[in-house]
Amino acid sequence: DTGVSQDPRHKITKRGQNVTFRCDPISEHNRLYWYRQTLGQGPEFLTYFQNEAQLEKSRLLSDRFSAERPKGSFSTLEIQRTEQGDSAMYLCASSTGTSSYETQYFGPGTRLLVL
Amino acid sequence: DQQVKQNSPSLSVQEGRISILNCDYTNSMFDYFLWYKKYPAEGPTFLISISSIKDKNEDGRFTVFLNKSAKHLSLHIVPSQPGDSAVYFCAASGGNLGSNYKLTFGKGTLLTVNP
Repeated sequence: DTGVSQDPRHKITKRGQNVTFRCDPISEHNRLYWYRQTLGQGPEFLTYFQNEAQLEKSRLLSDRFSAERPKGSFSTLEIQRTEQGDSAMYLCASSTGTSSYETQYFGPGTRLLVL
Repeated sequence: DQQVKQNSPSLSVQEGRISILNCDYTNSMFDYFLWYKKYPAEGPTFLISISSIKDKNEDGRFTVFLNKSAKHLSLHIVPSQPGDSAVYFCAASGGNLGSNYKLTFGKGTLLTVNP
């Protein structure tokens, strides 16, 4: 299967701890996106990369959040000093990056619970 | 503000009948619209899309209609099957310069298809 993969699928942590999530996009997809989904809401955009360049960040992405895509392949999303409000499903998506009308393909998500 | 609205939180239909899911948007700069299906604890799965230059797109049992003047789109599923039971999200992209690629989602509609 060559879809988007995310690791871990579930993470339980204590408030104040740091967590890091990984996303592996579909091979040769140049654009990679991070979204967050909370209960009863649709996914909300956090940030996106064109190859290794981070081109846009939502105001939802506080200073405690950082994302990287060092070689334009996989990406990591780190949350420092986690808070209970960070509990959510974190979704990664990728697209080809060759046109304006693009379909984004999503991974299975990482469900984070902050106690 | 909610730029993409799905006003029906839930919809129940009988197997074999038509399911119609509705979506309204407020940002006239949106030019690409997508429908995703989501099962619990999984990422969204792409179903069908439509660009603003079209008013209809069909793929098997799924048809999406776009009414630009009313800023409204709908997803028709015919015939509905029990396996179609899931949350359906409407999403849109385009908008302000530099934000062409991020998706803005509605809150979703839970479709239940009864045997």
